[in-house]
Order: sequence, then structure tokens, then C-alpha cells
Amino acid sequence: RKEVEQDPGPFNVPEGATVAFNCTYSNSASQSFFWYRQDCRKEPKLLMSVYSSGNEDGRFTAQLNRASQYISLLIRDSKLSDSATYLCVVNHRGGGNKLTFGTGTQLKVEL
Amino acid sequence: EAGVAQSPRYKIIEKRQSVAFWCNPISGHATLYWYQQILGQGPKLLIQFQNNGVVDDSQLPKDRFSAERLKGVDSTLKIQPAKLEDSAVYLCASSPRGAGAGELFFGEGSRLTVL
Repeated sequence: RKEVEQDPGPFNVPEGATVAFNCTYSNSASQSFFWYRQDCRKEPKLLMSVYSSGNEDGRFTAQLNRASQYISLLIRDSKLSDSATYLCVVNHRGGGNKLTFGTGTQLKVEL
Repeated sequence: EAGVAQSPRYKIIEKRQSVAFWCNPISGHATLYWYQQILGQGPKLLIQFQNNGVVDDSQLPKDRFSAERLKGVDSTLKIQPAKLEDSAVYLCASSPRGAGAGELFFGEGSRLTVL
């Protein structure tokens, strides 16, 4: 089983739609969680951290379910500019704070 | 503030040749990472440095890959000899603290094609 698993997509949605991505992780000792965004042929950039209580940043909401070992990202009112690959990232404290990236979920927002 | 600098941006070599990539992290960032990203996959950690010491190199193919960060600032990643499966983007990232404490800042990457 992969350490971090994501549905690769692509998710094709119309502008204005709400879309949700899930990510599962295998290491129950994982400490911190993030969503990164990667535009085509660009480097990954931090979108948001994921907190146990859930957190929101504008149109983006991230949630963590430790019992089921999954993380979610919800995007409301999708914009064309949201088209990108969304990478789920998990930190395992053992071994020097190693960040493990998922394969990414590709989102395409269409007119 | 200047970002993470990497060079070269693109490199095409034949299998069994060697190649080196250079990275200069954001000034003051103690932690430096090299990731390999194969097309369609997420970045995979190759090696992590804290200042000039290696924190994690468990996924570095040490028979052909080597990396150093001699003065705790810039870093070089070398592949010798290259194989076809090494074709990927090599991403350098830095962070002011450990990975779990905050975000990683990535460079634009060095895209390697092995023919």
C-alpha cells in the first residue's frame, strides 16, 4: 500500500462548481498534513496546512480525519484559475520530519 | 527575497553519461531537499540536509546518485552513470526549519531527459 494515496483524476468540472478531493495515508503516526498546488510544468507551492479541527481559506476548506486516516480538500465556486494538480502531503515525524507527497489529483475547470 | 535557484533548467544526455545539478536555497534556510518527480507522479524525496549534514537519504540510489552540501548553503546532486529511468524533474526545496514545521519552498526544477 502506498504511503499517501490520491485519485489521479482528472476531475473536469464547470466553472462555479464545488469539487472535493480525498487523500488517504497509511502511517497512523503521521503528524502534520498539507495540500500543495502544482501548475503544469511548474514547481509545487503550499496551498494550505490541514489542522485537526479543519480549516478554511476563502473558497478552500481542508479537513482531517485521523481515525480513518484521510484528508480532504473542498473547493467551492471553482474558477478557471483553479485548474492544477493538487498534491496531498503527509509528514512522518520519525526519520527527521520526512514529507511524503501523493501522486496528485488533476483538476480541470471548464467554461 | 530571492527564491530557490536551480541550474541547469534543462539537460539532455545519453544513458551512461553523467550530469550534475546545482541548487542555491533561500538565504538562511537550514534545511535543503532534493526531490525527483517523474511525469505523472508526485515528488519523491531523494535526500534531505540539515545545514551540511544528511538527515535522510534512504531513497537515494547511492550506486549512481550522490549529493553534497559542503558549506551548508548551496548543494549539488550528481548522477553517474545515468539510466533511462532517471528522466525526471529534479526539484530542490528549502525550509527555514524542519519539514513538519512549515512549508517547503521549491525551485523551478531541472528537467533531465536521458536518451
